[in-house]
Amino acid sequence: DTGVSQNPRHKITKRGQNVTFRCDPISEHNRLYWYRQTLGQGPEFLTYFQNEAQLEKSRLLSDRFSAERPKGSFSTLEIQRTEQGDSAMYLCASRPPTGSNSPLHFGNGTRLTVT
Amino acid sequence: DAKTTQPNSMESNEEEPVHLPCNHSTISGTDYIHWYRQLPSQGPEYVIHGLTSNVNNRMASLAIAEDRKSSTLILHRATLRDAAVYYCILRDSEKSSGDKLTFGTGTRLAVRP
Repeated sequence: DTGVSQNPRHKITKRGQNVTFRCDPISEHNRLYWYRQTLGQGPEFLTYFQNEAQLEKSRLLSDRFSAERPKGSFSTLEIQRTEQGDSAMYLCASRPPTGSNSPLHFGNGTRLTVT
Repeated sequence: DAKTTQPNSMESNEEEPVHLPCNHSTISGTDYIHWYRQLPSQGPEYVIHGLTSNVNNRMASLAIAEDRKSSTLILHRATLRDAAVYYCILRDSEKSSGDKLTFGTGTRLAVRP
């Protein structure tokens, strides 16, 4: 168990550029979640997958955001035409299929700065 | 979703016990109480969860009030490494919405050496 891996750890981009983040969940974890966290706030739910199916999307996920998990393993989160308000920590989590109360395992996030 | 209320911040001395309170007066019968913590520059980390009975694990203890409207996370001997933001979260085990966690702003715990 190597934990949830997120890449890159940091990303600085100019407003209007597109960015893509990657999340590698713990193997055999079929559920994968994306959260966003701004300074001083708790993480906010964005979307989650069960295997390759995207089951729920938050209203926070505007049409500039898209998440995929094509083979039910790793996932990508893309932000198009970035805005300064997109600056945040983007967190990924995964959990196993067994037990409705099994804990979420979080990665250490990708910190996005839009200049 | 039922809400939780936590103090914004608390302080503790190293090697002393810490009691972190959480109020959840609108908790439903199928809500489990979960605690996560977030160390600086890291993602949240699971600590403990419970339904009605008090729970213990290697990290902490969870004391749940008899009416379930409040709970307390207990760190038996705080260390400097326990300085973090602690989140108390209700998770409905029977609804699909319970599959995601809804975080509040948590309690920032400072530990004095």
